[in-house]
Amino acid sequence: EAGVAQSPRYKIIEKRQSVAFWCNPISGHATLYWYQQILGQGPKLLIQFQNNGVVDDSQLPKDRFSAERLKGVDSTLKIQPAKLEDSAVYLCASSSGTENEKLFFGSGTQLSVL
Amino acid sequence: GEDVEQSLFLSVREGDSSVINCTYTDSSSTYLYWYKQEPGAGLQLLTYIFSNMDMKQDQRLTVLLNKKDKHLSLRIADTQTGDSAIYFCAESKYSSASKIIFGSGTRLSIRP
Repeated sequence: EAGVAQSPRYKIIEKRQSVAFWCNPISGHATLYWYQQILGQGPKLLIQFQNNGVVDDSQLPKDRFSAERLKGVDSTLKIQPAKLEDSAVYLCASSSGTENEKLFFGSGTQLSVL
Repeated sequence: GEDVEQSLFLSVREGDSSVINCTYTDSSSTYLYWYKQEPGAGLQLLTYIFSNMDMKQDQRLTVLLNKKDKHLSLRIADTQTGDSAIYFCAESKYSSASKIIFGSGTRLSIRP
């Protein structure tokens, strides 16, 4: 079974530029999550999708971050414009949406904002 | 609010047991998790325990839960070099995978 796929693996941009990350979850997983992991910290949830609908985006800085999952499968997360404090690893995860479900994480995109 | 705390580093000798500790603040936590993150990889679920359990054992892993003190520990028996990673404690009130709160992680280093 293929895992959660993310690209790119690394991205370096200058502040005020825009950047986009892509995620393809495990086939059949209804729920998709984007997490931000700042160096030395645990992952923090940015947004959760159930199929193509947003379940929780309470922690997403909506003035600069946006995410979509138009067909209920893969998803993109965008930052525009980026700030220095956005430097982090952006992790995508998916789960089946059933009782006692488990989270499966991708390898993440490491973003450096200079 | 909800908070999960862990010590930052642990160094053990190869073959010894490792014990990683975690405290959490939310007494209504129902599920407590241990995740492992190897360099350059995402998090991988190692094991989890329900709040109505005191202990769970899975091969070399033993999870102990003291609900009164809100203390969770992960013991790795016969620690190997492949166990080098960051270990995250996490908690959730819900059976779904949403609303999981992660600690900052404990970096486990193995010395020969």
